[in-house]
Amino acid sequence: ETGVTQSPTHLIKTRGQQVTLRCSSQSGHNTVSWYQQALGQGPQFIFQYYREEENGRGNFPPRFSGLQFPNYSSELNVNALELDDSALYLCASSQDPDNEQFFGPGTRLTVL
Amino acid sequence: AQSVTQPDIHITVSEGASLELRCNYSYGATPYLFWYVQSPGQGLQLLLKYFSGDTLVQGIKGFEAEFKRSQSSFNLRKPSVHWSDAAEYFCAVGAAYTGGFKTIFGAGTRLFVKA
Repeated sequence: ETGVTQSPTHLIKTRGQQVTLRCSSQSGHNTVSWYQQALGQGPQFIFQYYREEENGRGNFPPRFSGLQFPNYSSELNVNALELDDSALYLCASSQDPDNEQFFGPGTRLTVL
Repeated sequence: AQSVTQPDIHITVSEGASLELRCNYSYGATPYLFWYVQSPGQGLQLLLKYFSGDTLVQGIKGFEAEFKRSQSSFNLRKPSVHWSDAAEYFCAVGAAYTGGFKTIFGAGTRLFVKA
């Protein structure tokens, strides 16, 4: 059984650019949640996708958007990058929205 | 709105000593409660969870947690700490709301283990 995978591992962008992060969910899971973890802080909930529909959103601006595909993999897109977007982005998958989540290793995004 | 408070930013314990990490939450009903551990450069690993039933929950690596509704707490305990337990620990609350489902994490407690 393959766990949750994320790509890329690391990424460096400049202010104003756009970025796409990818997540492959664990086999049998239909829900993906995305989190932003700034240095020294806990993960902050960005949004959740369940069966290809957004199923909850945290306090993030619209320039943070996402997609979930029929195979339940997911993308996180961030437009107009700001310096404060520098963080570890974590993806987690689960069998259902309220079930336990399994986390990927994260993507470290640096915005210069 | 949900919120999670972990009052201790960091804790130092001696190897072999007992451990208790505190977690308090705010939510109108009984939420789903989780403890995760994160080692440097790693993703999060679930230690244990509480959905309903027995308020004392056993997890992996010898950890347990007790849900106390009257205190809105879900403290994590381990009777004897090992050096490999040094890591960051996060308490999290999951709850449904009108827009879907949301999981909120605390700020974390960094555990240091001294020989």
